[in-house]
Amino acid sequence: GENVEQHPSTLSVQEGDSAVIKCTYSDSASNYFPWYKQELGKRPQLIIDIRSNVGEKKDQRIAVTLNKTAKHFSLHITETQPEDSAVYFCAAWAQGAQKLVFGQGTRLTINP
Amino acid sequence: DTGVSQNPRHKITKRGQNVTFRCDPISEHNRLYWYRQTLGQGPEFLTYFQNEAQLEKSRLLSDRFSAERPKGSFSTLEIQRTEQGDSAMYLCASSLEQGPYEQYFGPGTRLTVT
Repeated sequence: GENVEQHPSTLSVQEGDSAVIKCTYSDSASNYFPWYKQELGKRPQLIIDIRSNVGEKKDQRIAVTLNKTAKHFSLHITETQPEDSAVYFCAAWAQGAQKLVFGQGTRLTINP
Repeated sequence: DTGVSQNPRHKITKRGQNVTFRCDPISEHNRLYWYRQTLGQGPEFLTYFQNEAQLEKSRLLSDRFSAERPKGSFSTLEIQRTEQGDSAMYLCASSLEQGPYEQYFGPGTRLTVT
């Protein structure tokens, strides 16, 4: 079945710098890759997603890139702000089982 | 509120007791998912419904767990004979259609088994 690995587990960056979180997946049939942001004690919130027919998608300061050949995708946050501090989860859609498989999460801390 | 809702938000129970959680999805969403999340981990898939049909169950879902979605709207997740290892956040999510569509999560029910 699908397996998703996420790195790093923790990331600390200075306010205004960029942050990059990377995920790899195992099932070449996966075709949908969302990213969720979870603040402490709150629900996971979908922040951006990408489908396998595109290589990059951008929404203001957030972008996601997908490399289908290498089976990895990345979240890029530019001009980081303190409110970006949270745990970020990547996920891949397991086509056979019809479910999302999540990575282990990255705790992002933005230092003022 | 048009988002996914879950009740109760917190549940403390003694080992061996039964508990039931409820999820109300976004009204037009056909797909409903249950996940379990433990501290420091990503959500782990438990089961999902397409309308009222339960189509997939994880091996994590032991025979003490049962889920229903009787009318294709709200869903319940029951845990019988709770164990301390069941302590976790139980999240519900819904999506518009089958297939790889956006899933929207509820606030979760935090279960503590003492």
